[in-house]
Amino acid sequence: EAGVVQSPRYKIIEKKQPVAFWCNPISGHNTLYWYLQNLGQGPELLIRYENEEAVDDSQLPKDRFSAERLKGVDSTLKIQPAELGDSAVYLCASSLGASGIEEQYFGPGTRLTVT
Amino acid sequence: EDKVVQSPLSLVVHEGDTVTLNCSYEVTNFRSLLWYKQEKKAPTFLFMLTSSGIEKKSGRLSSILDKKELFSILNITATQTGDSAVYLCAVGIIQGAQKLVFGQGTRLTINP
Repeated sequence: EAGVVQSPRYKIIEKKQPVAFWCNPISGHNTLYWYLQNLGQGPELLIRYENEEAVDDSQLPKDRFSAERLKGVDSTLKIQPAELGDSAVYLCASSLGASGIEEQYFGPGTRLTVT
Repeated sequence: EDKVVQSPLSLVVHEGDTVTLNCSYEVTNFRSLLWYKQEKKAPTFLFMLTSSGIEKKSGRLSSILDKKELFSILNITATQTGDSAVYLCAVGIIQGAQKLVFGQGTRLTINP
């Protein structure tokens, strides 16, 4: 069974530039999550999707961050414009259940560096 | 504010030792507690606990939850160098929607 796929694995951009991350969840997993992980910290939820619907985006900084999950499978997380403080690892996860509090399967993440 | 605190933040032991990692929490609507192992990038699931006093076990790893004292421990016996990783504790809560709140992790290093 293929795991959660993310791309790119690494991205270096200058501040004020846009950036996008892509995630393909495990087949059959209807719930998809985007997390942000700062160095030395645990992941923090940005947004959770059930199929195409964003059911929890309360932690997403909507002035510069946006996400979409067209057709309820792949998802894209975008930052525009990026700031120095956005440097972090962006993790995507998926789960079979829709509760948001059960076992989640994580991808390898995208390490973003903003210079 | 919901809070999950892990201790110690860092631990270095020799191969063969037994270690105990701690996770304490202060949350308003507890639903579950999960342990993950993070090597390199992707956290991988270890255990999910919802009831007090029931030990979950997988090989040399075991975990138990105390909902009265609001903590969980993760035990690893006969440690191996492959156990070196960051161990994350996450608490499932209801805050509007349901979500996982992660602790900052414990970095475990096993020396040969």
